[in-house]
Amino acid sequence: DVKVTQSSRYLVKRTGEKVFLECVQDMDHENMFWYRQDPGLGLRLIYFSYDVKMKEKGDIPEGYSVSREKKERFSLILESASTNQTSMYLCASSKRGSRYNEQFFGPGTRLTVL
Amino acid sequence: RKEVEQDPGPFNVPEGATVAFNCTYSNSASQSFFWYRQDCRKEPKLLMSVYSSGNEDGRFTAQLNRASQYISLLIRDSKLSDSATYLCAVNPPSGGYNKLIFGAGTRLAVHP
Repeated sequence: DVKVTQSSRYLVKRTGEKVFLECVQDMDHENMFWYRQDPGLGLRLIYFSYDVKMKEKGDIPEGYSVSREKKERFSLILESASTNQTSMYLCASSKRGSRYNEQFFGPGTRLTVL
Repeated sequence: RKEVEQDPGPFNVPEGATVAFNCTYSNSASQSFFWYRQDCRKEPKLLMSVYSSGNEDGRFTAQLNRASQYISLLIRDSKLSDSATYLCAVNPPSGGYNKLIFGAGTRLAVHP
């Protein structure tokens, strides 16, 4: 069974704090993704990675950075959290190859920035 | 214009009804198409892929209309357990085989 896990389900941080969100997958997938999900806006891609140490910007990378030092782990970093980064953050992974490869999602981290 | 658009609903239907959702996409060169299901406070999960020839899985049928740039999802004999948000996803030409653009979702509520 594919498993994507995220380090926290709920997180509360203060404005200006540095925030780390961790994601781990156990299916040896090459591709990993970070999205945020907001009401009415749906899932928006922040960053993705198609290999270790490789990363590409998604549609809304501003204010975020990522790290992929190991194949199974993809971290999202908020360098200086702001209130407009309050959101649900979802990590996903997929196998490289077919255009129909499924993305598997983690349970999400609901981040509140005060 | 958003790249992928869906009617947010909610669609309120009785058990046993047939319901259909559409999802329009703006880039005619988009590569592949999907429907995901997301239950309240849960992560999205793949419901089905949408092939050029259409795809059927039990009570669910997905179709692709390239000429009009939309995909559709038909649910027959709705069950209470079908209540969820249905997200369409499109693989854009710039995204290789990896990247997906999601719609904001259509909420379905099936009532007794």
